[in-house]
Amino acid sequence: DADVTQTPRNRITKTGKRIMLECSQTKGHDRMYWYRQDPGLGLRLIYYSFDVKDINKGEISDGYSVSRQAQAKFSLSLESAIPNQTALYFCATTDSSSYNEQFFGPGTRLTVL
Amino acid sequence: AQSVAQPEDQVNVAEGNPLTVKCTYSVSGNPYLFWYVQYPNRGLQFLLKYITGDNLVKGSYGFEAEFNKSQTSFHLKKPSALVSDSALYFCAVRDYGTGNTGKLIFGQGTTLQVKP
Repeated sequence: DADVTQTPRNRITKTGKRIMLECSQTKGHDRMYWYRQDPGLGLRLIYYSFDVKDINKGEISDGYSVSRQAQAKFSLSLESAIPNQTALYFCATTDSSSYNEQFFGPGTRLTVL
Repeated sequence: AQSVAQPEDQVNVAEGNPLTVKCTYSVSGNPYLFWYVQYPNRGLQFLLKYITGDNLVKGSYGFEAEFNKSQTSFHLKKPSALVSDSALYFCAVRDYGTGNTGKLIFGQGTTLQVKP
């Protein structure tokens, strides 16, 4: 887990606020992913990126945006937070040669009031 | 449509007994299957994967999983459960829907509770 870090680990914000979650990795992987976890729903993919110029929407991208500042950094933004975006957010990385085994960060617990 | 199902929300087992956490899948190509574990306040940790070869895959912490193509299942097993195995377990399968994107489809998770 130390190879993939997320900041902040916990955040409480208010409806309508813009918030950014950050992810950094030292594994040298090219592919990075943002997921959200909700009880009973497993993990759902928000966005993913193959490199700094290749960003793709996942299954639940509405209300979110991302930025791949460098190969090692991938940020998730909530443009105008709403309460149903309260969830646990995970960043993950992999490379094209690892048969898709993904390595996860410790997660960010976000609460939108 | 590709999917993963974990039919049990929670599995309860006594320490020292064998445990099984079930997973079934549906994919359009050869299945690449994974198990992850999530301890409280931690990220997901990789346990094991099946890509090809032997149907019985061994992984971390004494866990193993059995791939059954005819039943489209990939159940997680351990011969003797420990209280420290109590956690949330996720099964996942490679998403073939859009080529080699590295995307995974996750099941909804199964909480394993091992009692002393």
